[in-house]
Amino acid sequence: QKEVEQNSGPLSVPEGAIASLNCTYSDRGSQSFFWYRQYSGKSPELIMSIYSNGDKEDGRFTAQLNKASQYVSLLIRDSQPSDSATYLCAVPYSGAGSYQLTFGKGTKLSVIP
Amino acid sequence: EAGVTQFPSHSVIEKGQTVTLRCDPISGHDNLYWYRRVMGKEIKFLLHFVKESKQDESGMPNNRFLAERTGGTYSTLKVQPAELEDSGVYFCASSPAGNQPQHFGDGTRLSIL
Repeated sequence: QKEVEQNSGPLSVPEGAIASLNCTYSDRGSQSFFWYRQYSGKSPELIMSIYSNGDKEDGRFTAQLNKASQYVSLLIRDSQPSDSATYLCAVPYSGAGSYQLTFGKGTKLSVIP
Repeated sequence: EAGVTQFPSHSVIEKGQTVTLRCDPISGHDNLYWYRRVMGKEIKFLLHFVKESKQDESGMPNNRFLAERTGGTYSTLKVQPAELEDSGVYFCASSPAGNQPQHFGDGTRLSIL
């Protein structure tokens, strides 16, 4: 059973602060990791992908991966009210030729002006 | 480039009726996925098409659900007869290749009364 765990939150941070979102996964063989952002009633939107141990930065977003600990995180610097959304951690399972995504329940982030 | 589009955005039907959901993937994307999110739970995989063929349907809950992708373009997901536990948001996603990130539609919110 492939599992992805996230703290459901809500996580509240003041505007301008760093928001830290965490995710653990059960499949030690996983190679790819994705963060999606979902506004209420909208589609999950891919914001970060990471494949190697270490950090990957894209603008105000930094994804961190530690395969030994089976842990992936997302940092949002200089948080803005527009960052308020649910953040989903997703891990592809590549069995049977399918790349179905296993999702966590999501962490709801609120950025307080 | 148009994104993944889903129709209808909302559907309210009575138990025992039939409903058909439609998904138009991004043009040129051979891989099409269906997912579902029931209230309070994480998004879960239903099935995966590669062109018109079902690559993996291990997530389909039972034989009341029928998915098709004739011609390898748009896909439909039919629920017949609908039961109360089928309520939720049904998402469609597509990708150019199996190991590439998936792009999601806004989903169809299905309510069974």
